[in-house]
Formats: sequence, C-alpha cells, structure tokens
Amino acid sequence: DIQMTQSPSTLSASVGDRVTITCRASQTISSWLAWYQQKPGKAPKLLIYKASNLESGVPSRFGGSGSGTEFTLTISSLQPDDLATYYCQQYKSEPYTFGQGTKLEIK
Amino acid sequence: QVHLVQSGAEVKKPGASVKVSCQASGYTFTGYYIYWLRQAPGQRPEWVGRINPDSGKTHYAQKFQGSATMTRDTSITTAYLDLSRLKSDDTAVYFCARGRGVRTSATSVYYYDSWGQGTLVTVSS
Repeated sequence: DIQMTQSPSTLSASVGDRVTITCRASQTISSWLAWYQQKPGKAPKLLIYKASNLESGVPSRFGGSGSGTEFTLTISSLQPDDLATYYCQQYKSEPYTFGQGTKLEIK
Repeated sequence: QVHLVQSGAEVKKPGASVKVSCQASGYTFTGYYIYWLRQAPGQRPEWVGRINPDSGKTHYAQKFQGSATMTRDTSITTAYLDLSRLKSDDTAVYFCARGRGVRTSATSVYYYDSWGQGTLVTVSS
C-alpha cells in the first residue's frame, strides 16, 4: 500500500495568515492526489482533486500544488471557518490511502 | 444536487452483525461507484471497499475480505454495507462516498466527491 505522510500534524495560525500543509507519498502517484477538509462530527469534504484542481464551490483561497511524491495545500488568507482537520489522499492505486491529518487551529 | 443519506447509529455486541445503508439521490445511481470507508475515533479514514451499482461487482480491502459485504438495490438507489463477526475495534464511523472516475491510459481512478453523513457503529459488551 502507498503510505501518505502529512506535516505538520497540528498547526496554529491567525486569521489572515497564509497556511501551508505538506503531504508526501511513499512512491510516485503522479498527480492523483485529493485534499479534504473535515470539521468535527462531519464527513470529509472534497477541496482539491488531481493535486491542483479546485472543486466547484470551494473558496478560491484554497490551492493545491505538487506532483510525484510531494504536494502542498495552501490557504492564502485563513478564515475562522477554516478550523478543521485536513487530509490528503492518493488515488493512484487501491487501496486508496489517506495521510494522518493536519489539525488546523485558529489563534 | 447529490445527496447520500445513511442509516442511523447502531450499538452491537461483539460477534454480532450490522447492516448500514446509504441512499443516493440527485444523480444516476448506476453511473458512479459507491465506496465505503470507516474512521475510528481520532484516526484517518480507511478504505473498506467499493461497489459498482450497475453490475453489483465489488472489491474489498484485504483486511475486510470475509467480514464485510457490499450490496445494492438499484430500485431504491441504495447501497448497503454488511459487517459480520463484529469486534470492539470495529467501533468507528462508517461513511459511504461517491467515486468520481477519471480515465487514465491504463485504467480508471476515482476520488470521493460526495459523502454520506456517516453512521456510528459501536461494538461493546
């Protein structure tokens, strides 16, 4: 199975900050990577697919980049509503696997 | 608008079985795979398997082969996950999700574009 590793595990930032989360794959996954946002007690919500494509309806402050084994999710200007845990997920080969998550806290 | 609505929370004893449902609406049910995932408390989501609602063909993650069974009823656009021989470490929230497919040169790959609200299954004596 492909292992996905995120960093950091926890991130504290202020409203208006630029935030970056990193995701690394244990082998190349081309651009077959998605990012999800999960708020407490809710299902994950798709933000980004194919590494850099913004899902319809997702605010433009979210952006993704990378290919191969290294990827980033960037929030250009953090908003209070962005309090959540963020997961990367590879879908190059089954079983599709997730990173361990990055919990984003608002200072 | 795509909606996946799951059945309610369940409490079961070790060794029992449970069936979770996922009713789809807002799209052609037979046109998209349904995936099942689970998420134990404080953990990342974990892939259980997938079902092709058109053919009924299934594919399970290795650790769930023999203990999980996925089925569907196209007449009511509902997918089901049956879990048997439950153990305490099966306690988790179980999600269904729609797979949006992308063709590659060799195969197709899928990411999860819509999710059910989740069903908490608690296994406790």
